[in-house]
Amino acid sequence: AQSVSQHNHHVILSEAASLELGCNYSYGGTVNLFWYVQYPGQHLQLLLKYFSGDPLVKGIKGFEAEFIKSKFSFNLRKPSVQWSDTAEYFCAVNENLGSYKLIFGSGTRLLVRP
Amino acid sequence: DGGITQSPKYLFRKEGQNVTLSCEQNLNHDAMYWYRQDPGQGLRLIYYSQIVNDFQKGDIAEGYSVSREKKESFPLTVTSAQKNPTAFYLCASSTGQGVSPLHFGNGTRLTVT
Repeated sequence: AQSVSQHNHHVILSEAASLELGCNYSYGGTVNLFWYVQYPGQHLQLLLKYFSGDPLVKGIKGFEAEFIKSKFSFNLRKPSVQWSDTAEYFCAVNENLGSYKLIFGSGTRLLVRP
Repeated sequence: DGGITQSPKYLFRKEGQNVTLSCEQNLNHDAMYWYRQDPGQGLRLIYYSQIVNDFQKGDIAEGYSVSREKKESFPLTVTSAQKNPTAFYLCASSTGQGVSPLHFGNGTRLTVT
């Protein structure tokens, strides 16, 4: 069965530090990839997505992610985090077979200290 | 404003009782989803529906049931057969075209004692 792994459950950074959150998936075929974010007290919202084309995708608020097919990875990055980036981040994967089924990772809780 | 409404925000039930969580959307989305969110486990898919009068089991459907009689509504019933029902439940919808992003509701926190 398809699965998504986020190995970092909790990350603590100081402002201006660089961020990289790992995401690996198990499905060997064509996939669609997403990162969602949940800020404290808010609902989940889309950060960025990859369907095809350039494997380096840019999202909102300065975030980007790189799809590396050979590594089954879709890591999230940001060069310089801000206190307002404190949130929980979820990677999600969908099989590109016309299925609407979206599988989420366990999430990474990021705390940015001012 | 268009969006997804989940009600109530907090729900308390006694063990052995069935309970139905409401989810309504006015986004005219075809697809709707129910996820369960537990600490350290992320979001796990319970059921999803791609079109009215049709739905599919997700990864943890046991002890749950759904219906999709109207496009805008996708209620979830947590039955007494669900062994660990206390959780945060999230409803979502999407246009379903290609793989469009999910729009989430604010969730319902169910506590069963």
